[in-house]
Amino acid sequence: QVQLQESGPGLVKPSETLSLTCTVSGGSIRSYFWSWIRQSPGKGLEWIGHIYYSGSTNYNPSLKSRATISVDTSKNQFSLNLSSVTAADTAVYYCARGTSFDPWGQGTLVTVSS
Amino acid sequence: DIQMTQSPSSLSASVGDRVTITCRASQGISNYLAWFQQKPGKAPRSLIYAASTLQSGVPSKFSGSGSGTDFTLTISSLQPEDFATYFCQQSYSYPLTFGGGTKVEIK
Repeated sequence: QVQLQESGPGLVKPSETLSLTCTVSGGSIRSYFWSWIRQSPGKGLEWIGHIYYSGSTNYNPSLKSRATISVDTSKNQFSLNLSSVTAADTAVYYCARGTSFDPWGQGTLVTVSS
Repeated sequence: DIQMTQSPSSLSASVGDRVTITCRASQGISNYLAWFQQKPGKAPRSLIYAASTLQSGVPSKFSGSGSGTDFTLTISSLQPEDFATYFCQQSYSYPLTFGGGTKVEIK
């Protein structure tokens, strides 16, 4: 069965770029959309954006063009870069498959603090 | 953006109770509606997609219904492992959006 695992720094300084990678195992990334979603106490679940294996992307306008999602089919991975972060970007970040989000990774807490 | 409104935001129920959670979309979304269960410290788990289709491995005590703007998730007989927070989510249009959640607690 397909499993997803997020990886990346747990602490990012304000104004810097948050970078996370999701590794897909047990199946090929060469189908489906692949999403990033975050969850913070103040804003609940927020979809950040997704990418198709071909590279086509869609983003949540609420992030004001700060998010960039890329895919590496040779590594079965996709990645998130979120620029100019502030404390409001502190959240648990999840990756998930498809537009109905199944399955999810276990999530990784990213704290924005100096 | 399509707003997803869940009600109630929390409820208390007993083991064996039938529980119904409602999700309302701010505009019609056909059947592009999914339900998730989340336990503390864990990632959400997909229960239902396309408003009424159970994900593989999800027990039949969970059921979903609705189309257009009004949807429901029903748990036919609440068990201890069902105490969790439940979210709905629409995939009809971008940006994809979630409801605020319904926390199901033990009475």
